[in-house]
Amino acid sequence: EAQVTQNPRYLITVTGKKLTVTCSQNMNHEYMSWYRQDPGLGLRQIYYSMNVEVTDKGDVPEGYKVSRKEKRNFPLILESPSPNQTSLYFCASSGTPGGTQYFGPGTRLLVL
Amino acid sequence: GQNIDQPTEMTATEGAIVQINCTYQTSGFNGLFWYQQHAGEAPTFLSYNVLDGLEEKGRFSSFLSRSKGYSYLLLKELQMKDSASYLCAVRDPTNAGKSTFGDGTTLTVKP
Repeated sequence: EAQVTQNPRYLITVTGKKLTVTCSQNMNHEYMSWYRQDPGLGLRQIYYSMNVEVTDKGDVPEGYKVSRKEKRNFPLILESPSPNQTSLYFCASSGTPGGTQYFGPGTRLLVL
Repeated sequence: GQNIDQPTEMTATEGAIVQINCTYQTSGFNGLFWYQQHAGEAPTFLSYNVLDGLEEKGRFSSFLSRSKGYSYLLLKELQMKDSASYLCAVRDPTNAGKSTFGDGTTLTVKP
């Protein structure tokens, strides 16, 4: 089954404790993105990747890092999480430039 | 930059027709997407418009006017399961990796 998976689905952590949210897709897509979704603010793009070893900032990259060492994986790293990073995070992939995005199930993060 | 506007909330009755509008102001245009998102779930693709006109897909249709920076999503024969948020999104014409989403329109379908 074609899908985008994220882990963990739910995470509670404390300020400053490094964490990684994994994202994997099995559709051989070149394009992958991370978004955060907050009430009243919609989906905002954090980082995106056009291919292996090619990443760039979206609209809200501060406090986040990403890597793209393999085509299928695009982890999101929070080196020192803060409470304002409490949010719902979605990973997405697409097979063509500007094409339809397929979203993972989401990761709900609470930073205390 | 990109700016997208949608109404925050709409309510409609089961069996009726509802139109959700989206206006955008962008530095270029490379296509407009509509996604559906049920509460607590991931967005899923509904439609894509890159040329002016109406695209029909079953009960759902999407319209685009590039000269007016305007799109709408038309939902016919509303069902209770259509209660969801509907997100309008545009891709950056100069950078295929960048996307901008509207804040979404929460549609409530009542019996």
